[in-house]
Amino acid sequence: DTAVSQTPKYLVTQMGNDKSIKCEQNLGHDTMYWYKQDSKKFLKIMFSYNNKELIINETVPNRFSPKSPDKAHLNLHINSLELGDSAVYFCASSQERQVNTGELFFGEGSRLTVL
Amino acid sequence: RKEVEQDPGPFNVPEGATVAFNCTYSNSASQSFFWYRQDCRKEPKLLMSVYSSGNEDGRFTAQLNRASQYISLLIRDSKLSDSATYLCVVNIYNFNKFYFGSGTKLNVKP
Repeated sequence: DTAVSQTPKYLVTQMGNDKSIKCEQNLGHDTMYWYKQDSKKFLKIMFSYNNKELIINETVPNRFSPKSPDKAHLNLHINSLELGDSAVYFCASSQERQVNTGELFFGEGSRLTVL
Repeated sequence: RKEVEQDPGPFNVPEGATVAFNCTYSNSASQSFFWYRQDCRKEPKLLMSVYSSGNEDGRFTAQLNRASQYISLLIRDSKLSDSATYLCVVNIYNFNKFYFGSGTKLNVKP
């Protein structure tokens, strides 16, 4: 069973469209994250949720809206897609007691291409 | 300025070689330090934590120098399977916030 799964794995869309990426973890973790990895391989945190509550919101355009219906799910909706949104989006999770060990569990990534 | 800086490489080494990567971090309040490994088109995975006293896991040795704010990773007896990108990661203030370097690419050749 995949611990952190995200869908879709690949997404190709036109500028201006709206799209969503879904993430689910079956590890029983309390905290989930969205990271963006750009073409230069720089992995940057976007959002973090703990038990469905938003705790980190980095400087991300408000076209990006995360939603956590329960602690096992964290979805990302993107409005009015722009070329610069093209990247790989990684979902991750961690358990509070493991956070200081650096143990983040990542999904396989969702590769978004905006044309 | 980025929180974590790494030499992007690539480092091209023969099998059996010893290779070392460094990274520097800008925030002196950084609390925890890690190395992650990311294979091509895959997700990052934790390789090892880095402790002030230095720590070893098989062929991998990690060191932390708080005074100079740098972290190192030494790989001995390189294997072909070590080819990957190695990401330096620091945790600052809030334990939920991890900052990743852009990674150092390693190619181990036969």
